[in-house]
Amino acid sequence: DTEVTQTPKHLVMGMTNKKSLKCEQHMGHRAMYWYKQKAKKPPELMFVYSYEKLSINESVPSRFSPECPNSSLLNLHLHALQPEDSALYLCASSQDASSNYGYTFGSGTRLTVV
Amino acid sequence: GEDVEQSLFLSVREGDSSVINCTYTDSSSTYLYWYKQEPGAGLQLLTYIFSNMDMKQDQRLTVLLNKKDKHLSLRIADTQTGDSAIYFCAERVSNTGKLIFGQGTTLQVKP
Repeated sequence: DTEVTQTPKHLVMGMTNKKSLKCEQHMGHRAMYWYKQKAKKPPELMFVYSYEKLSINESVPSRFSPECPNSSLLNLHLHALQPEDSALYLCASSQDASSNYGYTFGSGTRLTVV
Repeated sequence: GEDVEQSLFLSVREGDSSVINCTYTDSSSTYLYWYKQEPGAGLQLLTYIFSNMDMKQDQRLTVLLNKKDKHLSLRIADTQTGDSAIYFCAERVSNTGKLIFGQGTTLQVKP
């Protein structure tokens, strides 16, 4: 298995809802990442997990809450989002945070906040 | 800080070669990457180059690195309509796992 799987592929949520994005990989990778990508822009790093511990938080608002329950799973819990949070949320993984071989990205969750 | 820049748009005819350029600022970058993103999809790693290399070739893809000028290029030979996508170059911030992406170059391939 050489994939990163993200669910759901599309999500529409209201500003008062609570939802979660899920990411799964079975490549034995020990670093996992959340990126946010707005239309026609490059991905921007949100969080890095290394060996199931949060190692980087790029000053992300607390309405985004990451969780890494085990080495294969990464969640992003969403609460009280704003319309400007609408974007493509990409999960990625790599062998570890110092790996030179690049990330494997999932296909993303397209989030719309109404 | 780290910064990566690319031209935003390139249009070529099918069968021609495409050259996408990128400049970066972090002189300590050891690996540089090219990713491809098709509409509505995630990013696909195309190739990467280590900073002690000048060139890397992989089938139709050739990566050239000028470390002195901090300039990276991706050449796609015999460009096909299926190559139409956004191409991102990226540099890795040492020991953090963090990738810094350029703005992306939209490649349009005309039949």
